[in-house]
Amino acid sequence: QKEVEQDPGPLSVPEGAIVSLNCTYSNSAFQYFMWYRQYSRKGPELLMYTYSSGNKEDGRFTAQVDKSSKYISLFIRDSQPSDSATYLCAMSLLMKTSYDKVIFGPGTSLSVIP
Amino acid sequence: EPEVTQTPSHQVTQMGQEVILRCVPISNHLYFYWYRQILGQKVEFLVSFYNNEISEKSEIFDDQFSVERPDGSNFTLKIRSTKLEDSAMYFCASSGGYNEQFFGPGTRLTVL
Repeated sequence: QKEVEQDPGPLSVPEGAIVSLNCTYSNSAFQYFMWYRQYSRKGPELLMYTYSSGNKEDGRFTAQVDKSSKYISLFIRDSQPSDSATYLCAMSLLMKTSYDKVIFGPGTSLSVIP
Repeated sequence: EPEVTQTPSHQVTQMGQEVILRCVPISNHLYFYWYRQILGQKVEFLVSFYNNEISEKSEIFDDQFSVERPDGSNFTLKIRSTKLEDSAMYFCASSGGYNEQFFGPGTRLTVL
């Protein structure tokens, strides 16, 4: 079983649609959950991070974590063509120190069509 | 807004040659990382670095790889004898804490 799994897509939606991106993971010790956006041939850009279960909202983006199901989601409301990118879920253990590695999912490619 | 920078953006080298990839982390960050991404594959952890020493390394980070913080601003990744399979995007990241890692734009390494 892979440590972090994502549907690779591609996912194509019309402008203005609500987008739902999902990840599952196998290691129940993960405590810290992140979503990164990556444009083609660019570095991952941190979008959102959450600690443990729950929801977090930032503008058009909402991140959800369900630790009991080992399932995390990112919702994008009113999607824009500029949201077209690959979305990477990522997670790490919560260590006493802050240098724990981030484990990435393979990414979901999203296209928002004008 | 402060950001992580990396040079060069693209490095082409011959198999067996040494390469050094350079990174300038965000200035007040204390934790530094290298990741790589082979074309079409996921981002993979290589090494983390804190307090002038390696904190953790993956199985990818073998004896051909080394990292250094030669001064107060730069963080480097050296590959001693490059192989074809080292061709990838290499990302530097830094963190001020709480696992929020900020990534640079990457160096595309092509080994011929």
